[in-house]
Amino acid sequence: GAGVSQSPSNKVTEKGKDVELRCDPISGHTALYWYRQSLGQGLEFLIYFQGNSAPDKSGLPSDRFSAERTGGSVSTLTIQRTQQEDSAVYLCASSPVRGATEAFFGQGTRLTVV
Amino acid sequence: GQQLNQSPQSMFIQEGEDVSMNCTSSSIFNTWLWYKQEPGEGPVLLIALYKAGELTSNGRLTAQFGITRKDSFLNISASIPSDVGIYFCARTNGGGSEKLVFGKGTKLTVNP
Repeated sequence: GAGVSQSPSNKVTEKGKDVELRCDPISGHTALYWYRQSLGQGLEFLIYFQGNSAPDKSGLPSDRFSAERTGGSVSTLTIQRTQQEDSAVYLCASSPVRGATEAFFGQGTRLTVV
Repeated sequence: GQQLNQSPQSMFIQEGEDVSMNCTSSSIFNTWLWYKQEPGEGPVLLIALYKAGELTSNGRLTAQFGITRKDSFLNISASIPSDVGIYFCARTNGGGSEKLVFGKGTKLTVNP
């Protein structure tokens, strides 16, 4: 596609449920990032995938959070047993080649845990 | 050393005024990026800087990579209402990791 695509754009879920957020990066981009943005706040790094290298998971806030990237393309961020503090906008970004740091962002998924 | 200090946190200006915001780090890095985020959207890259001392313009926007490699500023000249948004600086984390670290953002409000 022309840009980074995220789905769903909005998700409301009940506390304790699991959710999956999807990111389709720009075709050919080898790097993929997940960030979390709480209301009025900056971008909190979650996880970074680069090609076939082991992902940098240093930003995942707890073991309820996990992400995978299949075939070096689509990525899924999974949050298990959601809590109200998980409510935020989850942003995905991709970058063209290793060492190129110009990340292109999707519009995000707004997650609301009720 | 990995945090970015971005200031000011917010700015309220009149249309036509010039704007300046900056970002500092206690460590040196090789890349500075400036992004703009409008409500309900993801951040969009404005300017990328790769060399110490580099000065780059994009229309009414000008950004510079500080000579010490620890800071960067972004200027917006002759602001217009559509400049409203949150401006983020970002850089690579260094140490072989290429993840992007973002500042907390500068929220800009332009009064017509």
